[in-house]
Amino acid sequence: GIQVEQSPPDLILQEGANSTLRCNFSDSVNNLQWFHQNPWGQLINLFYIPSGTKQNGRLSATTVATERYSLLYISSSQTTDSGVYFCAVERRSNYQLIWGAGTKLIIKP
Amino acid sequence: NAGVTQTPKFRILKIGQSMTLQCTQDMNHNYMYWYRQDPGMGLKLIYYSVGAGITDKGEVPNGYNVSRSTTEDFPLRLELAAPSQTSVYFCASSGGVTNEKLFFGSGTQLSVL
Repeated sequence: GIQVEQSPPDLILQEGANSTLRCNFSDSVNNLQWFHQNPWGQLINLFYIPSGTKQNGRLSATTVATERYSLLYISSSQTTDSGVYFCAVERRSNYQLIWGAGTKLIIKP
Repeated sequence: NAGVTQTPKFRILKIGQSMTLQCTQDMNHNYMYWYRQDPGMGLKLIYYSVGAGITDKGEVPNGYNVSRSTTEDFPLRLELAAPSQTSVYFCASSGGVTNEKLFFGSGTQLSVL
């Protein structure tokens, strides 16, 4: 089956820093999404991005489907950005989402 | 606007007991999903539904059952609970295209002892 690998597994930054999170996947997919899980467990959809680049405020994402990876950029980090960032890819055969193990981000004030 | 509502938030079961996790959405979404999240891991799909009366298995369906009698409700039934079912369970919904713009409930922390 499809393997989804996220790096780094953990990231600790000072407030105001920039960061890049990576998601590699092992096979062609229908689409890719990025999610944020806050420290209280709530999951929020950030980007639905099968290819190309999208931006939403301080966050942006780029997916290069031909090379099977996606990047999530966070600029000028705030403490509220802390949590776990997941990427998930939609399997072509049955449209089911396969999730990576996440990148745990801690932003220190 | 409530979105996706899950109950209960926490539950402790004894081995062999059964229970139903409730999930309701008020966005008139066709697609609904049940996921489980084990510690330090991403989510795994248990069951999903593309509309009332239609359900299908995901990656990890064993030990669970679902029904979808209405657009709004998608309960998850655990029969004969086992310690391996200790996890956090999330219900989600989406409208239009499969998986697009998923809305999640707040989760149910389940422990089987």
